[in-house]
Amino acid sequence: AQSVTQLDSQVPVFEEAPVELRCNYSSSVSVYLFWYVQYPNQGLQLLLKYLSGSTLVKGINGFEAEFNKSQTSFHLRKPSVHISDTAEYFCAVSENTGNQFYFGTGTSLTVIP
Amino acid sequence: DAGVTQSPTHLIKTRGQQVTLRCSPKSGHDTVSWYQQALGQGPQFIFQYYEEEERQRGNFPDRFSGHQFPNYSSELNVNALLLGDSALYLCASSLTGPNQPQHFGDGTRLSIL
Repeated sequence: AQSVTQLDSQVPVFEEAPVELRCNYSSSVSVYLFWYVQYPNQGLQLLLKYLSGSTLVKGINGFEAEFNKSQTSFHLRKPSVHISDTAEYFCAVSENTGNQFYFGTGTSLTVIP
Repeated sequence: DAGVTQSPTHLIKTRGQQVTLRCSPKSGHDTVSWYQQALGQGPQFIFQYYEEEERQRGNFPDRFSGHQFPNYSSELNVNALLLGDSALYLCASSLTGPNQPQHFGDGTRLSIL
């Protein structure tokens, strides 16, 4: 079965510093990859997606992610974080053989003033 | 353009009761998925509906059932509620296909006493 691992449960970072949130998945078939953000008491909002093509994808709010097939990773990055980026971030994977999204356990990003 | 809407926002039930949660998909979407998000965890896939049929199911017991109506809206029913069913229940809609991003509602917070 597919599994998605977000190694860092909590990431504190100072405002205007860069950040990387890590995501690894286990799958032997072709996958589609997504990052979502969740603010308190809200649903999940799509940040970016990788479907095919260029392995570097850009999303909203200045976030980008790089797909690495050999390392089965899809790490999320932002060169300079803002206070408003404080939220929970989820990596999600779907396989081209199914319809289910598999989510990681999330990374809580806290931006420190 | 209205996004995914869920009702009610909050619900309190006691063990053994039954509950129905409702979801209206984003305009133009024909596929609805339901997820359970326990506190501090990532969303767990319950099932997906397409063309009024359950197309795929996650690892949830038969106490969890659903329905999709001709207008694509959906209901999630949970029977014989257990304390462990306390969670945020998220509805997501999309176009059909594993490469289609899922758009989430703000969820229904279900508390079991």
